Amino acid sequence: GAVVSQHPSWVICKSGTSVKIECRSLDFQATTMFWYRQFPKQSLMLMATSNEGSKATYEQGVEKDKFLINHASLTLSTLTVTSAHPEDSSFYICSARDQLAGGLYEQYFGPGTRLTVT
Amino acid sequence: EDQVTQSPEALRLQEGESSSLNCSYTVSGLRGLFWYRQDPGKGPEFLFTLYSAGEEKEKERLKATLTKKESFLHITAPKPEDSATYLCAVQVHDYKLSFGAGTTVTVRA
Repeated sequence: GAVVSQHPSWVICKSGTSVKIECRSLDFQATTMFWYRQFPKQSLMLMATSNEGSKATYEQGVEKDKFLINHASLTLSTLTVTSAHPEDSSFYICSARDQLAGGLYEQYFGPGTRLTVT
Repeated sequence: EDQVTQSPEALRLQEGESSSLNCSYTVSGLRGLFWYRQDPGKGPEFLFTLYSAGEEKEKERLKATLTKKESFLHITAPKPEDSATYLCAVQVHDYKLSFGAGTTVTVRA
């Protein structure tokens, strides 16, 4: 299957600072990537859809000025958590859509980034 | 509103004891149903995508099936390494995935 990487795998930052998380599709080009967050013992919640070369689409309730998304190339999307606060501490996971023949596709996830804001 | 419900919430199996996980969905215009495996502290690992009712896919001890209202993930003769949370997700018209809450499977040796 296709491979998606994330960096860093974990990060600790102080309240008020910004943190950037990278998501890369390693062996395929992804025009669309997605960003999720997951709280302990809960399922994944979609935050935003990242489209290469255009603005991200945010889900209802997600602050676009706080969670900045950039999809500058077909293999890289970044999520920047600005002015982070302890309530932003979570597990952030990206995914990338791999187009298959016949208009079908599969979606692969990165390993996740554990963010802790102190 | 699209809904995805997984059951049971947790499943404890003895090694070799086959069982099934259920994913029922209420969506308009299903484009695909996805199964993932997630280990603690890791991202979901892709297992299967099913696109139409009647479709079946297999991978080692896992077999996924799809009807118009639900999907089953059958685990045949599970081993302890099959212990994980199994997530079901549906995709409708805009390529976004809506996830169920997951089923946590524990297989005892």
